[in-house]
Amino acid sequence: AQKVTQAQTEISVVEKEDVTLDCVYETRDTTYYLFWYKQPPSGELVFLIRRNSFDEQNEISGRYSWNFQKSTSSFNFTITASQVVDSAVYFCALGYPTGGFKTIFGAGTRLFVKA
Amino acid sequence: DAGVIQSPRHEVTEMGQEVTLRCKPISGHDYLFWYRQTMMRGLELLIYFNNNVPIDDSGMPEDRFSAKMPNASFSTLKIQPSEPRDSAVYFCASSLNRAGNTIYFGEGSWLTVV
Repeated sequence: AQKVTQAQTEISVVEKEDVTLDCVYETRDTTYYLFWYKQPPSGELVFLIRRNSFDEQNEISGRYSWNFQKSTSSFNFTITASQVVDSAVYFCALGYPTGGFKTIFGAGTRLFVKA
Repeated sequence: DAGVIQSPRHEVTEMGQEVTLRCKPISGHDYLFWYRQTMMRGLELLIYFNNNVPIDDSGMPEDRFSAKMPNASFSTLKIQPSEPRDSAVYFCASSLNRAGNTIYFGEGSWLTVV
């Protein structure tokens, strides 16, 4: 069965620290997609990144970077030089084929960045 | 372009009442999803549609929940009768009709059943 595990429930850092959010997924499909979403205190879900199972290249976007490793079924997210505005709940998600295409979410990691 | 539009944004209703949540997906998107978010269970996929047809409703908690998509630009999620445990944020989301496409969420409907 497909599953997404975000073992870190809450992380608290001080501004300017680097922080890595872990995501481990399970699937037997060879084609699948991985996502990260951010949910700030206002409640909306904001898309951050999408990765397909055939592309293990790491990606950097400003202070954000993502490390995709199929060998460990992980898709970790690092924020460099964290800022207070990064405080949010971050969700990792897995999209996989099933009739149509289904996307399931991990439990989320709540990140507190203190000034 | 407008994003996914949900209404109402907030609703407080009494137990036993019928609740109808509405969603307008992004124009051109062929997939529509209904998710529920609670502290206890996180983000759960309730049902999703492809080209207005329900594909997977295995996440719908019980018969009190029903969802329809009468056309490409409108969907409803109905709870009848509502119960306090249905209190949650209900998100509608949509995506293009291509495998693995990113799903974009509405702002959510915050439901409180008292």
